[in-house]
Amino acid sequence: GAGVSQSPSNKVTEKGKDVELRCDPISGHTALYWYRQSLGQGLEFLIYFQGNSAPDKSGLPSDRFSAERTGGSVSTLTIQRTQQEDSAVYLCASSSWGGSYNEQFFGPGTRLTVL
Amino acid sequence: GENVEQHPSTLSVQEGDSAVIKCTYSDSASNYFPWYKQELGKRPQLIIDIRSNVGEKKDQRIAVTLNKTAKHFSLHITETQPEDSAVYFCAANSNYQLIWGAGTKLIIKP
Repeated sequence: GAGVSQSPSNKVTEKGKDVELRCDPISGHTALYWYRQSLGQGLEFLIYFQGNSAPDKSGLPSDRFSAERTGGSVSTLTIQRTQQEDSAVYLCASSSWGGSYNEQFFGPGTRLTVL
Repeated sequence: GENVEQHPSTLSVQEGDSAVIKCTYSDSASNYFPWYKQELGKRPQLIIDIRSNVGEKKDQRIAVTLNKTAKHFSLHITETQPEDSAVYFCAANSNYQLIWGAGTKLIIKP
């Protein structure tokens, strides 16, 4: 079956512009996670969704970052007024239910470059 | 909150030898400990996980051990092969999320 997909695969933007990153989880997966991975670094947790609700937004780096999930499926991560330090690979993962006790399936990521 | 430390950051072993990566965690309530492998330019993928009701789990050349008293768990790879070259991440659960280690770059020397 289809895995987690993300779009775009690459995004180059100018400092100060807004960007939207999209994640399509595996069908039926209720849990969805967003992570950020800088070059050669580990996984930085951003936000978690259970269904359409986000019980844990603790990882969002600033109020320029927001995310939503509609219909318990697709999620978008929005970064407003992008800064150069936002450059990284943004990974999305989904899980059949609680992703903190089950395998998380990752998408291929979106590589964001802010010039 | 939970903190996960992973060592070493880089590990170089001769092909055919064994590799061991260690992680410690701080939250005694953690009860799920997965290991993910990330090949260069690829997405992380689960290779093995262990829950707190067992002390060891094995899958072919890969094994994970858990010491709940000492709050540490380890990944063991035997008879290493070139395709084992990757970055390995450990994690421990805490509330809704996984807390991740910083990763270990495993290099297999021919």
